[in-house]
Amino acid sequence: QVQLVQSGAEVKKPGASVKVSCKASGYSFNTYGFSWVRQAPGQGLEWMGWISTYNGNTNYAQKVQGRVTMTTDTSTNTAYMELRSLRSDDTAVYYCARRPPWNDGQVGFDIWGQGTMVTVSS
Amino acid sequence: QSALTQPASVSGSPGQSITISCTGSSSDVGGYNFVSWYQQHPGTAPKLMIYDVSKRPSGVSNRFSGSKSGNTASLTISGLQAEDEADYYCSSYTVSSTCVFGGGTKLTVL
Repeated sequence: QVQLVQSGAEVKKPGASVKVSCKASGYSFNTYGFSWVRQAPGQGLEWMGWISTYNGNTNYAQKVQGRVTMTTDTSTNTAYMELRSLRSDDTAVYYCARRPPWNDGQVGFDIWGQGTMVTVSS
Repeated sequence: QSALTQPASVSGSPGQSITISCTGSSSDVGGYNFVSWYQQHPGTAPKLMIYDVSKRPSGVSNRFSGSKSGNTASLTISGLQAEDEADYYCSSYTVSSTCVFGGGTKLTVL
């Protein structure tokens, strides 16, 4: 079946970096893009950015621009999100989600990973 | 990009219909027919319920419907059921080629 499986929980110190993986299976990896969304404890969803698996093009939210890098590895069908210079307010559950290629404005992310808890604490 | 505006909470009795609004601007909701709605139960990942304003993914009940008028999109749930109790989020494509979510609405089934 179609699924996205994310890496496990992380605990990081302020200033460190974290790299979350998202392994896809059950569909043609190159056909769909990925979006990354995070959710701080008790808060709403926050879009972080997206990446095209077709050409590697990315677009990031202004809030994390300069600290985030999204990549994909077609040899392992895995998407990655790296966030640097971590702060306490980066503590959140990070989700990867599949982005259908039907149009450039598609925000209907149809398959989601289970989430990865990232805790930033000294 | 500011978050889209949703009511913090709505409630309804089983069998009733409820509507959740999602207000943006001409730079997002009003400018594109790319609005989606997600359902999230506690401790789980969001689930896509509506995309492209009013389309339902395969497997989503036809009790869920979406619409848009001007800068406001709406999600209507008819025949309310206990399992519909969850948080609901809207999202929209924006003029900056990004995505923005609403603040979320907690639906309580009385």
